[in-house]
Amino acid sequence: KQEVTQIPAALSVPEGENLVLNCSFTDSAIYNLQWFRQDPGKGLTSLLLIQSSQREQTSGRLNASLDKSSGRSTLYIAASQPGDSATYLCAVNNYGQNFVFGPGTRLSVLP
Amino acid sequence: GAGVSQSPSNKVTEKGKDVELRCDPISGHTALYWYRQRLGQGLEFLIYFQGNSAPDKSGLPSDRFSAERTGESVSTLTIQRTQQEDSAVYLCASSLGGGASEQFFGPGTRLTVL
Repeated sequence: KQEVTQIPAALSVPEGENLVLNCSFTDSAIYNLQWFRQDPGKGLTSLLLIQSSQREQTSGRLNASLDKSSGRSTLYIAASQPGDSATYLCAVNNYGQNFVFGPGTRLSVLP
Repeated sequence: GAGVSQSPSNKVTEKGKDVELRCDPISGHTALYWYRQRLGQGLEFLIYFQGNSAPDKSGLPSDRFSAERTGESVSTLTIQRTQQEDSAVYLCASSLGGGASEQFFGPGTRLTVL
């Protein structure tokens, strides 16, 4: 059974810092991995989707990497801003199965 | 519509009553997912529809929960004889294809069972 963990559970940084969020999964036979952000009381917003054949994806200040063999993905946020404050979730999909979500990392970027 | 929509946005009900939650996926998306998120917790998978295939109901917590989807359009999640433990935000997502595709989420329905 796929299990997804995220470290740290919470993170507080001053504005302008670069930061890394971690996602680990137990079954490396994944089809893809998706990063989301969730603002309080809101739904999830898709950030990046990495297919199993890819090693990284970039969108603006965000870069997500994938190392299937070690069961890890990282989300790198460059030059963080207060507007980046949210909970960040990763979700993995094993072919033919549903997505399994991690518990999230709650990020606070202080002005 | 531009995105996934859900209704109602909020629902307050009394214990023992039935509720229906609605999800309108993005037009053309063949896959539709329902999740539950209890306060301060992660997302729990409930059910997955893919085209005309039999749905994956493996996440439904009890037989009080059921969902339907007509073709590749609207889906309804029904909870019968609601219990206080059913209080949560119910999130719907759709994707263009199956598991290989990016999921897009609706804003959710916040259900409160008194």
